[in-house]
Amino acid sequence: GDSVTQMEGPVTLSEEAFLTINCTYTATGYPSLFWYVQYPGEGLQLLLKATKADDKGSNKGFEATYRKETTSFHLEKGSVQVSDSAVYFCALLDPGANSKLTFGKGITLSVRP
Amino acid sequence: EAGVTQSPTHLIKTRGQQATLRCSPISGHTSVYWYQQALGLGLQFLLWYDEGEERNRGNFPPRFSGRQFPNYSSELNVNALELEDSALYLCASSLDPDRENQPQHFGDGTRLSIL
Repeated sequence: GDSVTQMEGPVTLSEEAFLTINCTYTATGYPSLFWYVQYPGEGLQLLLKATKADDKGSNKGFEATYRKETTSFHLEKGSVQVSDSAVYFCALLDPGANSKLTFGKGITLSVRP
Repeated sequence: EAGVTQSPTHLIKTRGQQATLRCSPISGHTSVYWYQQALGLGLQFLLWYDEGEERNRGNFPPRFSGRQFPNYSSELNVNALELEDSALYLCASSLDPDRENQPQHFGDGTRLSIL
């Protein structure tokens, strides 16, 4: 079945540090890949997406590239801000999965001033 | 454009009671999805409704049910509440899922607490 594996957290960084959050996946088909962010007390917001191999999704300074050969979709940001503190979820949507999003466990990012 | 709206924000029930959670999708979206985010269990898919029909169901007992109305809004009903039903219930909506790669957009959730 489909699965998403995220690196263990939590992650604590200083402001302006470089961020990488690893995500790898297993899918039976050719999935679309997403990063969602959850700020404290809120629901999930779509951060970025990629729908096919070598696509790069980007938003708010965050980037992730769909790597089919390594089944990965790592999230990166060159310079994090305190306002980026949140929980980040990697997710996949397999065309054969009847619209069910499969999520990773999420990772908590804390950014210190 | 208004996002996905859910009500109530918080709901407190006791064991054995029934809970009803409501969701209004983004205007123009025909599909509604429900997910459970329970502590320690992550985000789990519950139900998918499209054009008024239940299209897919996650691994949850039948006491979790729902429906979608002609205006595409949706209700999630949980009967015979148990302590482990305490969770954040998230609703999402999307455009026609038969059009490939439609992302799901989430509301802020309903926090259900079972005493």
